[in-house]
Amino acid sequence: GAVVSQHPSWVICKSGTSVKIECRSLDFQATTMFWYRQFPKQSLMLMATSNEGSKATYEQGVEKDKFLINHASLTLSTLTVTSAHPEDSSFYICSARRLTPTDTQYFGPGTRLTVL
Amino acid sequence: QKEVEQDPGPLSVPEGAIVSLNCTYSNSAFQYFMWYRQYSRKGPELLMYTYSSGNKEDGRFTAQVDKSSKYISLFIRDSQPSDSATYLCAMSGGDNQGGKLIFGQGTELSVKP
Repeated sequence: GAVVSQHPSWVICKSGTSVKIECRSLDFQATTMFWYRQFPKQSLMLMATSNEGSKATYEQGVEKDKFLINHASLTLSTLTVTSAHPEDSSFYICSARRLTPTDTQYFGPGTRLTVL
Repeated sequence: QKEVEQDPGPLSVPEGAIVSLNCTYSNSAFQYFMWYRQYSRKGPELLMYTYSSGNKEDGRFTAQVDKSSKYISLFIRDSQPSDSATYLCAMSGGDNQGGKLIFGQGTELSVKP
């Protein structure tokens, strides 16, 4: 299967600071990557679609100025949580869309963010 | 009504049992159907992929898609304790929907030794 990495795997930060999470597709190029948030015992909630070379598309209710997404290359997308607050504490997961041989998404291992 | 419905369980079975996991959906535009396995505090891992209707088998896992009934299934034969995880069904309309996946709620499976 395809490999997607995420860094860091966990991070603790103080309220008001910004945190950047990286998502890399290691063995395929991905023009589209997705960012999800997951709360305990719940399914994945799509936050935004990241397209290489263009602006991200955010789902309804997701603040684009708070969750900055950059997809500068075909293998790297970043999510920056700006001015983080305790309610932003969550498990963030990225995925990369691979089109061939099958159109599907491969997920990173996730990043656990704790805001104090 | 949610686009994809999945029984959240939890489901507990003895080792060696056959497990049946199911999802129903309402959007007839879905063409790509996937099952992911997610262990606690980990990202989802792709288990099975099916395009349109039909069956697909991979080792102990069999995926079935019935588009006429808008129903997909995942069967696990000879279940093992290592199969204990949350199983997520996911589906997509491909480029028509920007490649987005729509997930079920996930079924938590526990296989007891």
